[in-house]
Amino acid sequence: QQQVKQSPQSLIVQKGGISIINCAYENTAFDYFPWYQQFPGKGPALLIAIRPDVSEKKEGRFTISFNKSAKQFSLHIMDSQPGDSATYFCAASRNTGNQFYFGTGTSLTVIP
Amino acid sequence: GAGVSQSPRYKVAKRGQDVALRCDPISGHVSLFWYQQALGQGPEFLTYFQNEAQLDKSGLPSDRFFAERPEGSVSTLKIQRTQQEDSAVYLCASSLAFEQYFGPGTRLTVT
Repeated sequence: QQQVKQSPQSLIVQKGGISIINCAYENTAFDYFPWYQQFPGKGPALLIAIRPDVSEKKEGRFTISFNKSAKQFSLHIMDSQPGDSATYFCAASRNTGNQFYFGTGTSLTVIP
Repeated sequence: GAGVSQSPRYKVAKRGQDVALRCDPISGHVSLFWYQQALGQGPEFLTYFQNEAQLDKSGLPSDRFFAERPEGSVSTLKIQRTQQEDSAVYLCASSLAFEQYFGPGTRLTVT
């Protein structure tokens, strides 16, 4: 059973546009929600993360929006660039030292 | 500083062979995780160590999989009698708190 559901599976965005990736979860015990970026042949790299006590977190061009009541969170990439083309994974976990449950990934392509 | 390193980066094994995959975590990171990533999928949890103690091995798919971290630093994931379904990227991550930092992975191909 997939603990974290991610959509869309793939996304094509024009340079300068906004990329939006959505995730949903069921387990209300989850209290840490990171996003990872993965390039081919590389390991996932932590991009940004949020705890459920805030509804939004912004770091540079990357923003997480969090809706606790809907059990949903999303990644927004503003001013998308070709260098952002990668696979993005959302994840969720309970407490420190617990496994991450990953979504199935979104392949983002930013076209010049 | 140095990140998580894994070796070898690529491993080809004949079906039935044993393999050993190594992970060097970030210095001082207490927690260490192993994940398996199939092609086109998200990483899936295999096992977790806090220092040298293996606290969770619920994700190991069979008793052919074994992991250890004897001195609380370097960890080895061993797969005995490899099968074709074991072909995947094996990722190691280390952590001090909530964040997990991943290594580049070992791509295992079983022929």
